[in-house]
Amino acid sequence: DGGITQSPKYLFRKEGQNVTLSCEQNLNHDAMYWYRQDPGQGLRLIYYSQIVNDFQKGDIAEGYSVSREKKESFPLTVTSAQKNPTAFYLCASSKTGGHTGELFFGEGSRLTVL
Amino acid sequence: AQSVSQHNHHVILSEAASLELGCNYSYGGTVNLFWYVQYPGQHLQLLLKYFSGDPLVKGIKGFEAEFIKSKFSFNLRKPSVQWSDTAEYFCAVSPSSNTGKLIFGQGTTLQVKP
Repeated sequence: DGGITQSPKYLFRKEGQNVTLSCEQNLNHDAMYWYRQDPGQGLRLIYYSQIVNDFQKGDIAEGYSVSREKKESFPLTVTSAQKNPTAFYLCASSKTGGHTGELFFGEGSRLTVL
Repeated sequence: AQSVSQHNHHVILSEAASLELGCNYSYGGTVNLFWYVQYPGQHLQLLLKYFSGDPLVKGIKGFEAEFIKSKFSFNLRKPSVQWSDTAEYFCAVSPSSNTGKLIFGQGTTLQVKP
């Protein structure tokens, strides 16, 4: 079945450690996105990529980094510079970057910083 | 800055009651509008979308939404809710001339009592 796979589903890390969240899609979509979901704040865009080897900052990119070396993969690194990293992270993809279609979401990764 | 505001954070209804969830956006140009739904334990999925044409759009599971340009609104409605409609609902907006950014509202949690 086509879809988006995020891993791990749950992750714990100590303060000061970097952590990388994986996102893989087999939908042959060009565009991929990372959102952060916090209670009462909805989804906020961290980074997005409309094509391989290119990505743009979203509204809350500070403390995060991404890469897009392959069409299928868009990993997100939460660095130690992110002041409040405990959150639910959602990866999504769409056929094009133009939002003329829908976003397809993964099941999310919940990161807890101890 | 562009923004999306959902008026109701938590709505509790009995089965068969009518539903209307408010959504207003702030943007001066042409927009694409979306409602996404997240059922308990499931990933976010598209409920309905508006790009152009008839301002009354119909989505899955009997939901509909009306785009009122003069009010910058895109309210979600359903004449008679069911217990299975219990979920979190997100309104989202992207400028038609967008660079790939989809802006979400804060979300509304709907609880339907049997």
